[in-house]
Amino acid sequence: DGGITQSPKYLFRKEGQNVTLSCEQNLNHDAMYWYRQDPGQGLRLIYYSQIVNDFQKGDIAEGYSVSREKKESFPLTVTSAQKNPTAFYLCASSPRTANTGELFFGEGSRLTVL
Amino acid sequence: QQQVKQSPQSLIVQKGGIPIINCAYENTAFDYFPWYQQFPGKGPALLIAIRPDVSEKKEGRFTISFNKSAKQFSLHIMDSQPGDSATYFCAAATDSWGKLQFGAGTQVVVTP
Repeated sequence: DGGITQSPKYLFRKEGQNVTLSCEQNLNHDAMYWYRQDPGQGLRLIYYSQIVNDFQKGDIAEGYSVSREKKESFPLTVTSAQKNPTAFYLCASSPRTANTGELFFGEGSRLTVL
Repeated sequence: QQQVKQSPQSLIVQKGGIPIINCAYENTAFDYFPWYQQFPGKGPALLIAIRPDVSEKKEGRFTISFNKSAKQFSLHIMDSQPGDSATYFCAAATDSWGKLQFGAGTQVVVTP
């Protein structure tokens, strides 16, 4: 089935450790995104990529890093510089069409910092 | 600062009732307004969307009303069912495709 796969579903990390969240899509979409979801704050854009080997910061990029070496993959690293990393992280993709507004989301990764 | 303000934060209705969720925006460059539905532990999924040249759009039991002059839009769930219990997000986009600005979300509970 086509879709977006995020892993791991749950992740625990100690303070000061970096952690990488995986996102893979087989929808042949050009664009991929990482959002952070916190209660009462909706979804906030961390990073996005419209094409391989290129990505841009979103609204809350500080403390995060990404790479886009393959069209299918867009991993997110939560670094130790992220002050409040405990959250639900959502990866999404969209076809490269103008302003469709439709994002296809994965099922998310819940990160807890102990 | 959120560019799309959504209210209420939560609401509870009985089966058959009509939950109404409201959103407001300031940026007149927004020209695409989707609504996403999210069930617990899942990612959001597109429910219905509208553009500003249309004042109302219906898809099944879901209706979007759009008021361009007031810069407001709302989602109505007609004849709501317990299976509609979810969190609903409004969003807005400009010509930067895919860069959606989301509202804070509304948790809707439909009781049997």
